[in-house]
Amino acid sequence: AQSVAQPEDQVNVAEGNPLTVKCTYSVSGNPYLFWYVQYPNRGLQFLLKYITGDNLVKGSYGFEAEFNKSQTSFHLKKPSALVSDSALYFCAVRDSRGDMRFGAGTRLTVKP
Amino acid sequence: SAVISQKPSRDICQRGTSLTIQCQVDSQVTMMFWYRQQPGQSLTLIATANQGSEATYESGFVIDKFPISRPNLTFSTLTVSNMSPEDSSIYLCSVGVTSSYNEQFFGPGTRLTVL
Repeated sequence: AQSVAQPEDQVNVAEGNPLTVKCTYSVSGNPYLFWYVQYPNRGLQFLLKYITGDNLVKGSYGFEAEFNKSQTSFHLKKPSALVSDSALYFCAVRDSRGDMRFGAGTRLTVKP
Repeated sequence: SAVISQKPSRDICQRGTSLTIQCQVDSQVTMMFWYRQQPGQSLTLIATANQGSEATYESGFVIDKFPISRPNLTFSTLTVSNMSPEDSSIYLCSVGVTSSYNEQFFGPGTRLTVL
């Protein structure tokens, strides 16, 4: 069955530093991978996706993600973190039925 | 992207009662889904709302507890029946198109507290 894992419950970075939020996946067939962000008291917002093509995918708010097939990873990155990036981040994968399955989430805190 | 609204945005309910949550989309969409997000946890798919037919429920969720309607391509309701404190969660409506390539869009959620 398709699944994603987010090994870190919490990531803390200082403003201006690069950030990485980790995600690994397990799929049969081609992986369709997604990142979402959830700000406090808000719904989920789509950030970016990997379907095929370039391994480096660029998305909203300056975020990007790198697809690594050999390591079955899809880590979310940003070169310079902002305090306003503090939120809950979810990695997700489409399963064979087309349903979206979410990781447990990683809470990112960016300190000034 | 689709604009999705949910009503109510939050509610506090008594044990044993039922609450119906509405989801309205500003455009016709193929797929509509209902998710539950329990406090501090990830999203769990409850069911896929099918237009003109019964919803497709995930393992652990049943129609008697979570009846769903979808009368057209822009509207769906989820009812949480005979509520208990364990039903306290955020309930999220989501929409998408029939393709694994495409992302889903989410409503703002309904925060439910059951006393």
